[in-house]
Amino acid sequence: EAGVTQFPSHSVIEKGQTVTLRCDPISGHDNLYWYRRVMGKEIKFLLHFVKESKQDESGMPNNRFLAERTGGTYSTLKVQPAELEDSGVYFCASSNRDFPGELFFGEGSRLTVL
Amino acid sequence: GEDVEQSLFLSVREGDSSVINCTYTDSSSTYLYWYKQEPGAGLQLLTYIFSNMDMKQDQRLTVLLNKKDKHLSLRIADTQTGDSAIYFCAEPFGGSSNTGKLIFGQGTTLQVKP
Repeated sequence: EAGVTQFPSHSVIEKGQTVTLRCDPISGHDNLYWYRRVMGKEIKFLLHFVKESKQDESGMPNNRFLAERTGGTYSTLKVQPAELEDSGVYFCASSNRDFPGELFFGEGSRLTVL
Repeated sequence: GEDVEQSLFLSVREGDSSVINCTYTDSSSTYLYWYKQEPGAGLQLLTYIFSNMDMKQDQRLTVLLNKKDKHLSLRIADTQTGDSAIYFCAEPFGGSSNTGKLIFGQGTTLQVKP
């Protein structure tokens, strides 16, 4: 069974540019989460999808961040325009409905904004 | 606010026991989790404990829970070089068991010296 995959693994962009991160969850997992780790600090929740619906986006920093989950399958997280403080590692995780707290994480997408 | 705290670094010799400590804030948390991140990989659930338990043992791993002090620990017996990783303690937001929206600590880097 394929795990959670994320793309790209590393992105380096200039301040003001746009970046789109993609996550493919484990097939059959209704729950999809985005988390972010900035500067070696805590891994912080960004948002939660249940299938294609946004269940909770209380962790999204501001309106420069837009997440979508097309057809309840893969998800994208777009940052537009990127700022220096957006640099960090963006993790995607999925889980099934039986044990939502068992998160299966991707390897993360490292974003560097110069 | 809700916060999970861990020490940042632990170094042990191969064969010794490792103890990683964590304090959490929400006394209503139903599950508490330990996640492990190996170099270059995503986080994976290592073990968890239900709040009505004081201890859980799984092969070389022992989890101790002190609800009164809101203290969680992870003991790894006979630590091996392959145990070198970052270990994250986590609790669910609002204590709910039915969510993958977790609060993570900063992570404890375990270094195992041969």
